[in-house]
Amino acid sequence: EAGVAQSPRYKIIEKRQSVAFWCNPISGHATLYWYQQILGQGPKLLIQFQNNGVVDDSQLPKDRFSAERLKGVDSTLKIQPAKLEDSAVYLCASSPGTSGGAGETQYFGPGTRLLVL
Amino acid sequence: AQTVTQSQPEMSVQEAETVTLSCTYDTSENNYYLFWYKQPPSRQMILVIRQEAYKQQNATENRFSVNFQKAAKSFSLKISDSQLGDTAMYFCAFMKRQGAQKLVFGQGTRLTINP
Repeated sequence: EAGVAQSPRYKIIEKRQSVAFWCNPISGHATLYWYQQILGQGPKLLIQFQNNGVVDDSQLPKDRFSAERLKGVDSTLKIQPAKLEDSAVYLCASSPGTSGGAGETQYFGPGTRLLVL
Repeated sequence: AQTVTQSQPEMSVQEAETVTLSCTYDTSENNYYLFWYKQPPSRQMILVIRQEAYKQQNATENRFSVNFQKAAKSFSLKISDSQLGDTAMYFCAFMKRQGAQKLVFGQGTRLTINP
């Protein structure tokens, strides 16, 4: 079974530029998560999708970050314009999303490492 | 809001030794889940072990076991017979039973197993 795929793996941009990350979850997984992991910290949830609907985006900086999962499968996270403090690893995870998802294991992708100069 | 604290930024042990990683959390919830995730260098995060708060029995997975103390809000991970491949960042995480299924992570403990 293929795992969670993410691209690109690395990205370097100048501040105020825009960037987009792509995630393809495990086949059949209804729930998709985007986490931000700043160096030396644990991951922090940015947004959670259930199929193509948003469940939780309370920690997403909506003035610059946006995310979509139009067909309920793959997802794109965008930052526009980027700031220096956005330098981090962006992790995508998915889970089956059955039974309300309570306690489900989340399967993580390899992450996209972003450096904003 | 829930918080998770890992008080040991780094630990180092010799191969085959036993090591215990500490985790405490704060929540007003009564039903929830606790997890330990492992993030090896340059590799993706994987689940090590999972505990359901309403189960008193401590979870075990081969060489990995937890000591779950609900009243003390403590959730430590014990690794027995440590192996070189156990070298990784270890994150303790909390998930509510009801509502959005987000993981709230601690800051992580960097564990190094020395040959």
